[in-house]
Amino acid sequence: QVQLVESGGGVVQPGRSLRLSCAASGFTFSRFAMHWVRQAPGKGLEWVSFLSYDGSDKYYADSVKGRFTISRDNSKNTLYLQMNSLRVEDTAVYYCVRGGEYNYGLGIYFDYWGQGTLVTVSS
Amino acid sequence: DIQMTQSPISLSASVGDRVTITCRASQSISNYLNWYQQKPGKAPKPLIYAASSLQSGVPSRFSGSGSGTDFTLTISSLQPEDFATYFCQQSYSTPYTFGQGTKLEIK
Repeated sequence: QVQLVESGGGVVQPGRSLRLSCAASGFTFSRFAMHWVRQAPGKGLEWVSFLSYDGSDKYYADSVKGRFTISRDNSKNTLYLQMNSLRVEDTAVYYCVRGGEYNYGLGIYFDYWGQGTLVTVSS
Repeated sequence: DIQMTQSPISLSASVGDRVTITCRASQSISNYLNWYQQKPGKAPKPLIYAASSLQSGVPSRFSGSGSGTDFTLTISSLQPEDFATYFCQQSYSTPYTFGQGTKLEIK
């Protein structure tokens, strides 16, 4: 069965860095686009970043552009999110999400989610 | 960015009720609209994709409709396990924005 397991969350001071990892299993990781989605405590969902199956295409939310970097290692079935210059407003549960497709790849949806890892940015 | 607006924000209903949640996009998104269910402390779960396609394993009491800017999620007969928060999400263009969520509570 599909499993996505995030790690790397924790408490960090503003301006510092953190790297999240997501270990994927139960499917052919190298064939799927992947995303990070976050949820601040008690708030709604915010899409953060997209990475194509082969790592050639990347997109970011404006709120993290220039500070966060998404990457993957298909040989290790692992997705990463390098988060630099962290801000208090980056505090959230970060979910690793698989990108399912429809309409011959024109449409995407988030078909499998990890359990999430909490990142707390606080002095 | 495409703004997604859900209504209502909260809803009280009883087991057996028929419930409809609405999602409106700030511009036309064709059928690139998905719905998710989230329970407290858990990750969201996909319910509907492409506006009206039921995700595998999701009960048939859930249905979705709409195209363009206006969409609905309907639960035909509420079950106890359906009390949760529901989010719509557009995949027409990045950033892939979500609605603010509709919290469905027991009356």
